Amino acid sequence: DTAVSQTPKYLVTQMGNDKSIKCEQNLGHDTMYWYKQDSKKFLKIMFSYNNKELIINETVPNRFSPKSPDKAHLNLHINSLELGDSAVYFCASSQEVPHNSPLHFGNGTRLTVT
Amino acid sequence: TQLLEQSPQFLSIQEGENLTVYCNSSSVFSSLQWYRQEPGEGPVLLVTVVTGGEVKKLKRLTFQFGDARKDSSLHITAAQPGDTGLYLCAGGLAGSARQLTFGSGTQLTVLP
Repeated sequence: DTAVSQTPKYLVTQMGNDKSIKCEQNLGHDTMYWYKQDSKKFLKIMFSYNNKELIINETVPNRFSPKSPDKAHLNLHINSLELGDSAVYFCASSQEVPHNSPLHFGNGTRLTVT
Repeated sequence: TQLLEQSPQFLSIQEGENLTVYCNSSSVFSSLQWYRQEPGEGPVLLVTVVTGGEVKKLKRLTFQFGDARKDSSLHITAAQPGDTGLYLCAGGLAGSARQLTFGSGTQLTVLP
């Protein structure tokens, strides 16, 4: 009964390729997020969607494009991958705006660009 | 410069010892959350504090929100190896309802 599931768990690819990471939540939450965790373990928000609408778009290269086909899914597509994109990407969801409602995270996708 | 600074960044202690982790900012937060992350997994919420001066206890863990809502601390009593993990604070800025900002993290290792 995984609450937030993302696939794949590991992704190894070469520079210049295009790849996608999928995320699904079965919690009935309205808001979903993508976070990037760097090698120093710092978690930085990339995008947030509420009921399929983009509400947060941090300073992220436009090679990154989120897509939310419905409120239970938020996928991340990355074009023209670069070495600096190597990181762990976490999908998360929350019932409403996150100040008092917890974020539920997936187990992450470790992306390695060679 | 991180909006939320955690200290220490790394902490290695023996089982049975006590420890405190700090989360500090110059900004005011409407609430603050603490998460623990284990290797290969996503962060998991431990607690949310919302009122200045609030203290919450979760078994051997005690969380406090500063009176001015700019800082928080996590105190662990009699640490156990199962407490090992990355501890992250995350705050919602007052007046910015839609986003949590995460701290820089504290990697705790409790040795048996």
